[in-house]
Amino acid sequence: EDQVTQSPEALRLQEGESSSLNCSYTVSGLRGLFWYRQDPGKGPEFLFTLYSAGEEKEKERLKATLTKKESFLHITAPKPEDSATYLCAVQFLNAGNNRKLIWGLGTSLAVNP
Amino acid sequence: ETGVTQSPTHLIKTRGQQVTLRCSSQSGHNTVSWYQQALGQGPQFIFQYYREEENGRGNFPPRFSGLQFPNYSSELNVNALELDDSALYLCASSLVPAETQYFGPGTRLLVL
Repeated sequence: EDQVTQSPEALRLQEGESSSLNCSYTVSGLRGLFWYRQDPGKGPEFLFTLYSAGEEKEKERLKATLTKKESFLHITAPKPEDSATYLCAVQFLNAGNNRKLIWGLGTSLAVNP
Repeated sequence: ETGVTQSPTHLIKTRGQQVTLRCSSQSGHNTVSWYQQALGQGPQFIFQYYREEENGRGNFPPRFSGLQFPNYSSELNVNALELDDSALYLCASSLVPAETQYFGPGTRLLVL
């Protein structure tokens, strides 16, 4: 079954304490993996798109990596303003050769000062 | 460059009523997707419009309908509102259907 799973569901860090969020997927025909940040009650904010295994992208304290089965969002020396829910979405070709997008449930990150 | 905008920001309706939500896509984007997001859940795909035609639909009943206009703005209409329709409704636009989606701020709908 095509599925996207994010872990952990929730993560609490101290300011400066680096960690990683995971997005694992069981789809074939990957066409892209997307990371978004969402603040409470607001629309998701685009962070990264990754297309192939081995690809990495960075933005400030965030770095996203991709393998054939999962993606990691590494957060280096986080600050309280990094507190948000981080969503992962996977685009793939289904059995009918149609592009589909599946969303994970997100990881809720809280960074304490 | 203007981002994706949505209106209204908040809305309160009663069960059985009808609602129309609006979305203006980012400049140059011809594709709009609509999502429903319940509290603590990921976005659930409702449907997508590409060049004024529906281009895919999620598992939502026919009382959820949409429209895209020649300027690529879009509407989401929901008839016969139910309590479970209370959610954050998100609109996202993209250059073409397969490209990265950029989201608006959302419309918070409460059905009483």
